[in-house]
Order: sequence, then structure tokens, then C-alpha cells
Amino acid sequence: EVQLVESGGGLVQPGRSLRLSCAASGFTFDDYAMHWVRQAPGKGLEWVSGISWNSGSIGYADSVKGRFTISRDNAKNSLYLQMNSLRAEDTALYYCAKAFDIWGQGTMVTVSS
Amino acid sequence: QSALTQPASVSGSPGQSITISCTGTSSDVGGYNYVSWYQQHPGKAPKLMIYDVSNRPSGVSNRFSGSKSGNTASLTISGLQAEDEADYYCSSYTSSSTLEEVFGGGTKLTVL
Repeated sequence: EVQLVESGGGLVQPGRSLRLSCAASGFTFDDYAMHWVRQAPGKGLEWVSGISWNSGSIGYADSVKGRFTISRDNAKNSLYLQMNSLRAEDTALYYCAKAFDIWGQGTMVTVSS
Repeated sequence: QSALTQPASVSGSPGQSITISCTGTSSDVGGYNYVSWYQQHPGKAPKLMIYDVSNRPSGVSNRFSGSKSGNTASLTISGLQAEDEADYYCSSYTSSSTLEEVFGGGTKLTVL
């Protein structure tokens, strides 16, 4: 069964850091680009970042550029999102997605003092 | 990175057909045949319903269809059923070099 399981979310103060992880199983991880998409409470979907199969191409939304870093470890079938200088507006449910055809259940990040 | 434009809500009765539009620009919807549509029920993760404008993943009902004309893509659901009530989002590829994707604001479908 194809599965993505996110972890690492939680409550964090503004300005602090958090690292999200996404464990993939059931497919050949290094065949696919992977993405992070977030959804603020009661709001729509927002693409955050994407990374190609070999990490050769990486992209970020303007709202997170310079603060967030996406990475992957194909040997561990894992995707990561390092989030620094967190702001209240980063509060959201963070999904990882395999080429947008398979999505995890998300991990909640709350930025508040 | 402006969001694609979708109507906030649409509604229809069981058995009817509805269409949800998704308007972008020549830099996203109009520039690539990489428009996708997602269904999201409350408290659930998004589910891919249409990819590459008009293709259905395995397991998705053929009541769901997609199309595109210029900078506007459309999702049509025929034979509306109660379980179709959900939020629907479109997305489009915007840049082949940075994997950038842009989403629409979402449309709430109500089955009357």
C-alpha cells in the first residue's frame, strides 16, 4: 500500500524552528518528485515547496523562501522540511505529497507564543 | 504566485451536472497541460480526481471529467451524488525549473 506519514509538527513560538518529516512506503521513492502543501485552519491549499527525485530541482513559495528548506534522503525513503524563523501565519496542517497523486494525512504546526 | 480563481461555492441536486471553473494566466493554466483537480472532505486529506487536464486516476468515477480552454480549466461532475459534497481545488504547474505549483482558492460543492 502506498503511504505517506508526516511527523514533527507541534506548538512552537514565533521565531523558532521545527523540522517536519515524511516517511514514504509502498512505492519507489526515488522515482518521484515530492512536495509539501499546507492548509491553514479553515483555508485553502497552499503549495509550500517541491523537490525533484534527485534533489536537482527545488522550489519554494515566496511566502517561505529563505526560511524553509526542503530535502530528501532516498536511502531512507524520507522527505523533510526544515522550517526556521516561524511566524504565526505559518500555522497550518502540513501535507507531504507524492507528485500530488498521493497525500499523507498531515502534521499540524501551530506557531504561537 | 497568485492563486488560481475558483468560485467560492456551487450547488446542484442529485442527478444533475455541475461545472467548477478555475481561471489562471498564460503562465500557469494556459501555459501547460498540467491542471489537476482534488476533492477534499472535511477532516480528510485531498484526493486527486483529475490530472493533466482531463485524465482520471484509477478508481475515480467517470462521472468526473476535466477540460481546459485558454487560461480556464473546468471540472464537471455529472450525475451528482450526496457523497460528492466536498471542497474542490484546482492546481496548475507554473514552472518546470522549480517545480512550482499554484492552487485555486477552493470551491465548496453542496448537493441539495
